[in-house]
Amino acid sequence: SQKIEQNSEALNIQEGKTATLTCNYTNYSPAYLQWYRQDPGRGPVFLLLIRENEKEKRKERLKVTFDTTLKQSLFHITASQPADSATYLCARFDSGNTPLVFGKGTRLSVIA
Amino acid sequence: NAGVTQTPKFQVLKTGQSMTLQCAQDMNHEYMSWYRQDPGMGLRLIHYSVGAGITDQGEVPNGYNVSRSTTEDFPLRLLSAAPSQTSVYFCATAGGGTATDTQYFGPGTRLTVL
Repeated sequence: SQKIEQNSEALNIQEGKTATLTCNYTNYSPAYLQWYRQDPGRGPVFLLLIRENEKEKRKERLKVTFDTTLKQSLFHITASQPADSATYLCARFDSGNTPLVFGKGTRLSVIA
Repeated sequence: NAGVTQTPKFQVLKTGQSMTLQCAQDMNHEYMSWYRQDPGMGLRLIHYSVGAGITDQGEVPNGYNVSRSTTEDFPLRLLSAAPSQTSVYFCATAGGGTATDTQYFGPGTRLTVL
């Protein structure tokens, strides 16, 4: 089965800096990559989707990139705030009726 | 508009007991799925459904049954609970008949099997 990996379990950064989270995939490129935010005790919440033929997507302070050469997606939060502290999950969707496959997540802590 | 609801929020079972985790949605979404989330393991797909009457297995289906008789409901049955099924269970839905679209997650059910 196709895999997706988030190599960093945890990331600590200072408030105001840009947080960059990495998601790597194996074998062929997924049709889509999705990013979710999960707060403790809650279900994940959708943030952004990027398609294989898109290099970059933005939403407010969030930016996602899709690099098919490196087989990688980067998720950036600019001007990070303590309220951005959460676990961030990436997920791949391949085609047809295949289900979404999630990475294990990266726990981001933004320190004031 | 309640979105995705899950009941119960918490449950404690003894080994060998059976139970059903309920998931209901009022968004008329075709795609529904069940995940379990364990520390260090991330979200793992148990079963999914692309529409009423259609279900398929995910990554970790053993010990779980599902059925989809209506668009709104997608219950997950544990036939004989085992301690390895202690986990947090999430139901998710998506608008189209595939997982392409945004997934909407329920609040989760925390299950402990003694």
